[in-house]
Amino acid sequence: EIVLTQSPATLSLSPGERATLSCRASQSVSSYLAWYQQKPGQAPRLLIYDASNRATGIPARFSGSGSGTDFTLTISSLEPEDFAVYYCQQRSNWPLITFGQGTRLEIK
Amino acid sequence: QVQLVESGGGVVQPGRSLRLSCAASGFTFSRYGMHWVRQAPGKGLEWVAVIASDGRDKYYTDSVKGRFTISRDNSKNTLYLQVNSLRAEDTAVYYCAKDMSIGAAAYHFDYWGQGTLVTVSS
Repeated sequence: EIVLTQSPATLSLSPGERATLSCRASQSVSSYLAWYQQKPGQAPRLLIYDASNRATGIPARFSGSGSGTDFTLTISSLEPEDFAVYYCQQRSNWPLITFGQGTRLEIK
Repeated sequence: QVQLVESGGGVVQPGRSLRLSCAASGFTFSRYGMHWVRQAPGKGLEWVAVIASDGRDKYYTDSVKGRFTISRDNSKNTLYLQVNSLRAEDTAVYYCAKDMSIGAAAYHFDYWGQGTLVTVSS
């Protein structure tokens, strides 16, 4: 099983600041990594797929980068609605799909 | 617009069964693989199962193999998850999720339902 480790567990920032979230894989997943946003009481929403491709309707302030074992989700300037939990997910060794444990982005 | 609406959750005793359903609309259901993903209360996401667009290929996470069965009825645009021999650790919100790729599953999920809660408790 490929383990995804997200850091930090919690990130405290203010609106307008830049957020950088990390996801590290226990072995290479090539570029087969996605990022999801989940707000309380809601289903996850796909933000980024295959490491760097924004999903339909996702604002340009969200960007993804990385390959192999190290990946980053960057939110260039935080909006109030961006405070949520973010998960990474790999599909490299399907069907053994795994998610990271999540990073909670909270308002400072 | 794409809509996925789950139903069938509830409180059930250990060892009992449930059938979860997911009604799909707003896209050509028969062209996409479909998944179930669950989330235990206060925990992260866990992929559970996938079914190919034509229903032939199915895969499961190890912890549910032999107990859960994924199926679909393309004539009714509906996805199912039969959950048997339920355990306390199966307590979770169960989401159905649409694969983002036409044909062969890509295992990234571009639309999700609102989820249905399964609580296993005596």
